[in-house]
Amino acid sequence: GNSVTQMEGPVTLSEEAFLTINCTYTATGYPSLFWYVQYPGEGLQLLLKATKADDKGSNKGFEATYRKETTSFHLEKGSVQVSDSAVYFCALKNFNKFYFGSGTKLNVKP
Amino acid sequence: DGGITQSPKYLFRKEGQNVTLSCEQNLNHDAMYWYRQDPGQGLRLIYYSQIVNDFQKGDIAEGYSVSREKKESFPLTVTSAQKNPTAFYLCASNGPEWNEQFFGPGTRLTVL
Repeated sequence: GNSVTQMEGPVTLSEEAFLTINCTYTATGYPSLFWYVQYPGEGLQLLLKATKADDKGSNKGFEATYRKETTSFHLEKGSVQVSDSAVYFCALKNFNKFYFGSGTKLNVKP
Repeated sequence: DGGITQSPKYLFRKEGQNVTLSCEQNLNHDAMYWYRQDPGQGLRLIYYSQIVNDFQKGDIAEGYSVSREKKESFPLTVTSAQKNPTAFYLCASNGPEWNEQFFGPGTRLTVL
């Protein structure tokens, strides 16, 4: 079947620290992979995506590389800001259905 | 501006009452989805529709119903059969040319 597993939070970092949020997936075929961000009380916003193996998605300083050999799509940012505090969801799309991880809450302290 | 609107943002209902959540999109998307989000948890798929007048059950459809009479609208009814309806409900859509889902702002339903 299809599923996404991401690291449990919360993750608490100081401003300018390096961020990694781990995400691994199980899927049949060739899924597309996504990272979404959710701010309190709002819907999800697409952060970045990758549609095939070895693709790197990037946006607003965040990056993730589609690794088929390790079935992973880890989110990274070199220097986090307080404004990055939110919940991050890893997701995959397969055959017109989306599957979401449980979300990882990130707290960035000044 | 194109997007997805959900109304209302907050909704309170008494136990045993049916309630309908609105979702409208002007993105000309064929596919629309309803998800439920509980505190500290991920999204669970309730229902989805890939075309007008057609919809399929998701993973947790029991106690919910939907209709898709127009392309731009996909209302969700939370019935009295839903045992634990208090949650945050998210509507989403995507078209065949878009390889991502667009989300509405969500409706927080509280059943008293």
